[in-house]
Parts: sequence; C-alpha cells; structure tokens
Amino acid sequence: AQKITQTQPGMFVQEKEAVTLDCTYDTSDPSYGLFWYKQPSSGEMIFLIYQGSYDQQNATEGRYSLNFQKARKSANLVISASQLGDSAMYFCASHGGYQKVTFGTGTKLQVIP
Amino acid sequence: EAGVAQSPRYKIIEKRQSVAFWCNPISGHATLYWYQQILGQGPKLLIQFQNNGVVDDSQLPKDRFSAERLKGVDSTLKIQPAKLEDSAVYLCASSTGTASSYNEQFFGPGTRLTVL
Repeated sequence: AQKITQTQPGMFVQEKEAVTLDCTYDTSDPSYGLFWYKQPSSGEMIFLIYQGSYDQQNATEGRYSLNFQKARKSANLVISASQLGDSAMYFCASHGGYQKVTFGTGTKLQVIP
Repeated sequence: EAGVAQSPRYKIIEKRQSVAFWCNPISGHATLYWYQQILGQGPKLLIQFQNNGVVDDSQLPKDRFSAERLKGVDSTLKIQPAKLEDSAVYLCASSTGTASSYNEQFFGPGTRLTVL
C-alpha cells in the first residue's frame, strides 16, 4: 500500500520569498510517479509538477521545482518568488503500480503581502 | 480543448435517498477517476477506469456506491442509499495514462453533495 505524508497543515510565506512544502512517501512499487497539485479556494485541482522514480534530475516547471530525494523518500515542492495567487491548498500524490493513486492530506499555503 | 465536465455542481439530498453524478472526460483520455474529498482532507480515490474496465475500486463502498463507464467515455457514480458521512465533494478526473505511464490528471470542477 502507498502512503503520502504532508506534515505541514499550514504555511505562511512573504510575497516574493521562496517556500518549501514537504512530502514524504512510502511505497513498495519499484516504479512510481510523484505529483503536486494546487487547489485554490474555488475548488478546482490544478496539476503543477511531476517526478518519475527513475528520473535522474529534479523536475522544474517555471517557478515550481521538486526536490526529489529517493533514499529519503521525499518529494518536496519548492515555490520560488511567491505570489499572492499562490495562496491555496497543495497536495502531494503518488501513482504506483498500474497507476494506483494516493493523495496526501495537503498543506494550506498563505502568501502575505 | 474542453476540460472535464461534471454535473450537477451542487446537490442536497436527505439521508437514505439516492443520487447520481455524471462526468464527461477530456476527449481521448483513456483513464477516468472518481474521488471523494471530505472537507479539510485530500482526495480519496473511489474508482479508476481504463477505457470501460475497472482498474481499482478497492476503496469504493460497494454496498452503497456504484459506478460505470459505458463505451469508455462518460461515467456515472451513484450512491444508494446516501448517509450523512457521504457529504463531500466528488471529483472526476481523466488522464492519458496507461498501465506503464504516469500522466497528470485533469480534474473537473466537482460536485458538492450535502446529505441532511
């Protein structure tokens, strides 16, 4: 069984600063994918970034980067130059064998002007 | 490109009543997911379809929940009879993923169900 742990229920960050949202995972699947999604207060779930378990380099997508440490089973999301529009819930998720999907409990990020 | 469509957006019913939700995925997406998201929690996968076959329904309460995806396109999720604890947002998502690839999911706006 897969498990995703997000230990930060809430985070604050100053506008234009960088912030790291933590995610650890537990899976027995040899091949898996790790995802981050953003859920604003409006409710829609938006894909941000993906990391494959065999990828050698950390994924980056614009201001988002994923700090992947396989030995530690961590996949932290780094948001650089935070903007007010980044205020939202952030979910880490894993896809294991045959795409079995598990989401974490989420981190609520609030960007302070 | 049209996104994932869901209806209705909101539904209020009394316990023991039945309810059905509809989802139309992005055209060409083989994989379709239904999630239950209780307030303050992450989405919980209820069922995953690959075309019109079920890949994973291990967390679907089969005594009251059912889902189908006829012809591998649209899908319906039904609850019969509803309980108070079924109050949640029901999210539908689709992806181009297959058994050997992990592709991002595209989510619909969700259906907010309130059971009184």
